[in-house]
Parts: sequence; structure tokens; C-alpha cells
Amino acid sequence: KQEVTQIPAALSVPEGENLVLNCSFTDSAIYNLQWFRQDPGKGLTSLLLIQSSQREQTSGRLNASLDKSSGRSTLYIAASQPGDSATYLCAVRNSSASKIIFGSGTRLSIRP
Amino acid sequence: EAGVAQSPRYKIIEKRQSVAFWCNPISGHATLYWYQQILGQGPKLLIQFQNNGVVDDSQLPKDRFSAERLKGVDSTLKIQPAKLEDSAVYLCASSQASGGNTDTQYFGPGTRLTVL
Repeated sequence: KQEVTQIPAALSVPEGENLVLNCSFTDSAIYNLQWFRQDPGKGLTSLLLIQSSQREQTSGRLNASLDKSSGRSTLYIAASQPGDSATYLCAVRNSSASKIIFGSGTRLSIRP
Repeated sequence: EAGVAQSPRYKIIEKRQSVAFWCNPISGHATLYWYQQILGQGPKLLIQFQNNGVVDDSQLPKDRFSAERLKGVDSTLKIQPAKLEDSAVYLCASSQASGGNTDTQYFGPGTRLTVL
């Protein structure tokens, strides 16, 4: 049974720092992995989707990497800004037709 | 392009009452998902539709929850009767298809349900 874990549950850093959010999963036979952002009281916004055959994806200041063999993905945020404050969730799909399993998220706070 | 629409945004009911949520996905999206998100947790998939067929409903409490997708477009999720532990945010999402790069999900704002 796939389990997805995100540690730490909360993180606070000063503005301008580069930071890394972690996501680990127990079953390495994944189809894809997605990173989402959730603002308080809002739905989720997809940030990056990495297929199982890919090692990383980049969008602006965001870079997500995937290491299936170790069951890990990281989301790298460069030059953090207060507007990056949100909860970041990762989600794993095991096959094209399987359900998506979410982690519990990391609540990120960027201090001005 | 219009996003995923959900209504109502908030709902307060007493236990044992019934409630229904509505979702209108992005036009042309074949796949529709309903999630339950309890405070402090990640979303849990309740049901996934591909057009108007059910792909996965393994985590849907079928004794009280039901969902349908009319003509492969709009969807409703119903709870009857509600329990205290059903208090959560119910999120609807859609994607072009399931699999590949078309798997990117777009979420609605959610419906916050409080059961008293």
C-alpha cells in the first residue's frame, strides 16, 4: 500500500532564502508525481508534474526532482518571497488508472 | 478559460441530515475527481469518473455517500445521513484525461462542510 510522507509539517524561513521541501513514498513503482500549492481556504493549484521516466521538472523559480529508487522527490524554491507562503502537497499516482495518494503537506511561511 | 466551479462554498448541517455538493469541471475535461480533505491532512480521493463512468470509488463510504456524473459533465456528491466525522472540505478536480501530461488536475475552491 502506497504511503506518502512530507516532513517537516511546517517550515518558516526568511525572505530570499533558497529552500527544499521533501516528499517520500513507500512504493517506488509510480506512474507520476505532482506538486501542488494550497492557499488558506482555497483549492489546490498544480505546480509541477513529473512522469516516472523523468528526473526533474522546472517552472520559474521552482524545480522538482524525482528519485524513484529511493522513493523521494524534492521541491526546490529559489529566492523565496512572502507570496510563496502556502501549504505545499505532493501526490503520487501508481499507474495510469490508479488513485492518487496525497501527503499531508508542508506549511511554508516566508518571513519578510 | 473558466476554472472548476463548485457550490455551495459553505454548508452547515446537523448530523443525520442530508447534503449535496455540485461541481462543474473545466469544459472538455474527461476526468473528474471528488476529494475529502480533513483539516491538517492531504486530500483523500473519494471517487474518480472518466466521462460518466466510475474508475475508482474504493474509498467512498457507499453506505452514506453517493456520486453521479450526468452526461459526463457536471457531478453531484451526496451524503445521507451525515455524521460528525464528515466535517471536511470537499474538493472537486478535473483533468483532460487520466495519464501522461494530461493528468494535471485543476481544483475548484471546495465546499466546507460543518456537521453539528
